[in-house]
Amino acid sequence: KAGVTQTPRYLIKTRGQQVTLSCSPISGHRSVSWYQQTPGQGLQFLFEYFSETQRNKGNFPGRFSGRQFSNSRSEMNVSTLELGDSALYLCASRSEAANTGELFFGEGSRLTVL
Amino acid sequence: EDKVVQSPLSLVVHEGDTVTLNCSYEVTNFRSLLWYKQEKKAPTFLFMLTSSGIEKKSGRLSSILDKKELFSILNITATQTGDSAVYLCAFIVQGAQKLVFGQGTRLTINP
Repeated sequence: KAGVTQTPRYLIKTRGQQVTLSCSPISGHRSVSWYQQTPGQGLQFLFEYFSETQRNKGNFPGRFSGRQFSNSRSEMNVSTLELGDSALYLCASRSEAANTGELFFGEGSRLTVL
Repeated sequence: EDKVVQSPLSLVVHEGDTVTLNCSYEVTNFRSLLWYKQEKKAPTFLFMLTSSGIEKKSGRLSSILDKKELFSILNITATQTGDSAVYLCAFIVQGAQKLVFGQGTRLTINP
């Protein structure tokens, strides 16, 4: 069974640009959540999607947005990039049926903003 | 505000030592506490604890939760260099679909 796949793995952008990151969850998982990881703040919750609906949102500005498609794949977008957006962006999927709470993480997309 | 505090933030020990990592939390609607290990990129799941006082074990790793005192510990016995990683503690809030993570403990095992 393939794990959570994130693309791209690495990217470099400049301030003011926008970026779109993609996440394919484990087959059968309909819940996809996104986290930002930085050395200073640790892992912080961005948002969670289930069946194409955003169920939960963290405390991030509106420049951070996401969506989920009918096949459960998810994208997140960051507009008007700032230096502080440099981080590892982790996607995680979960099986609602299993009800274990366990999240399965992807390898992440490392974004560098210059 | 819900929060998780892990200690120590960094720990260096010799191979074969036993380590105890701490996680304390303040949350209004606790559901479960999870431990993850992060070596390079993707955090990998170790344990989920929901009930107080019941120890979970997996090989040399074990963890227990105290819901009265609001903390959990992760023990690693007979440490090996492969145990070097960042260990993350997180809780799930009842009714929410998100994890709130602590800062992590960076564990380094020297041969």
